[in-house]
Amino acid sequence: AQSVTQPDIHITVSEGASLELRCNYSYGATPYLFWYVQSPGQGLQLLLKYFSGDTLVQGIKGFEAEFKRSQSSFNLRKPSVHWSDAAEYFCAVGSSNTGKLIFGQGTTLQVKP
Amino acid sequence: GAVVSQHPSWVICKSGTSVKIECRSLDFQATTMFWYRQFPKQSLMLMATSNEGSKATYEQGVEKDKFLINHASLTLSTLTVTSAHPEDSSFYICSAGLAGIYNEQFFGPGTRLTVL
Repeated sequence: AQSVTQPDIHITVSEGASLELRCNYSYGATPYLFWYVQSPGQGLQLLLKYFSGDTLVQGIKGFEAEFKRSQSSFNLRKPSVHWSDAAEYFCAVGSSNTGKLIFGQGTTLQVKP
Repeated sequence: GAVVSQHPSWVICKSGTSVKIECRSLDFQATTMFWYRQFPKQSLMLMATSNEGSKATYEQGVEKDKFLINHASLTLSTLTVTSAHPEDSSFYICSAGLAGIYNEQFFGPGTRLTVL
């Protein structure tokens, strides 16, 4: 069965520190992978996506993610976190059969001043 | 580009009444729209998938008679919560799929429903 796991429910980092949010997926074929960010009471904003090609993907707001097929991972990184990055982050895999997105449980990012 | 709007952004209603939520793709035609429900501090749960001009496909466990979905045009889908009860209180989010770009969905800002 297709699934997405975000092992870290809550992460706290200091402003200016680096960030890595983990995402592992289970999917039989080549996955379409996404990272979304959600601020409180808001919808989801796409940070970046991977369909094919270069496994290191650049996104908005200085985020990047690396697709590692051997590890079934698509971890999100940012070299220097800003206080405005505090939000909920969701990893998702797209089903090529149904067009649906399967979301992970989400990771809450807290940024300390 | 690829902007999705939802209306209303929040609604409070009495138990037993019906509430309609609109989802519009403002600058593109969406062949497929999705409706999600999100409980506090939880992930998004897909409720149903709707395609323009055809009946919606509901996920297992979602009551199709309670959550009526209509996808009347390529830019508008509506979710009607019928005979709402307090347990229907939630954050409802729609997304729209861009034709030709598989799997990519653009999300609306969400609608907060509170049933008293």
